[in-house]
Amino acid sequence: EADIYQTPRYLVIGTGKKITLECSQTMGHDKMYWYQQDPGMELHLIHYSYGVNSTEKGDLSSESTVSRIRTEHFPLTLESARPSHTSQYLCASSGEGVFVLETQYFGPGTRLLVL
Amino acid sequence: QKEVEQDPGPLSVPEGAIVSLNCTYSNSAFQYFMWYRQYSRKGPELLMYTYSSGNKEDGRFTAQVDKSSKYISLFIRDSQPSDSATYLCAMTYNTDKLIFGTGTRLQVFP
Repeated sequence: EADIYQTPRYLVIGTGKKITLECSQTMGHDKMYWYQQDPGMELHLIHYSYGVNSTEKGDLSSESTVSRIRTEHFPLTLESARPSHTSQYLCASSGEGVFVLETQYFGPGTRLLVL
Repeated sequence: QKEVEQDPGPLSVPEGAIVSLNCTYSNSAFQYFMWYRQYSRKGPELLMYTYSSGNKEDGRFTAQVDKSSKYISLFIRDSQPSDSATYLCAMTYNTDKLIFGTGTRLQVFP
């Protein structure tokens, strides 16, 4: 079973607050990802990292930022939360697959509600 | 136009039925085709993947890819209430960036 953890699982917060969503994995994977998932919509990649000190923006524009100081840790930060940031945020990691495909393992997600 | 189209459902079937879930796509460069299962309040988990065209079977699950029609399917035989979840198709051409469908919500009733 994949060991990838996200905290908090649920967060209700007021507009303007700074928040950090935590993601940790114990599989030693180099690659990590953040996705945003809204009801009835596809997962959209918002950030990814290929290793320590590597971060890139994904296909969906996001006001969030990420950091990768340790291999196992990939936190996502919103400096000033707004209601438009209300969504589910999913973290994933991947490593070498047997047939080149790098299976992405997902965490349980953080449901964020900004009031 | 979205790169991957998937009927959101919901699809409601009786226990024991054969379920067919489908996605269409527009990018002929896609090489890997995946099916993820997502239970409520959980993250997606990889069910199975197929490289290029053909079929792949794993227990009650069969994945099919028809690249000529740009169409992929997941069949679930002898469906169980525990199969009730959202099924997401995903595909990629570079093994790294996945493009997901919206997911089809499946409910199997006893």
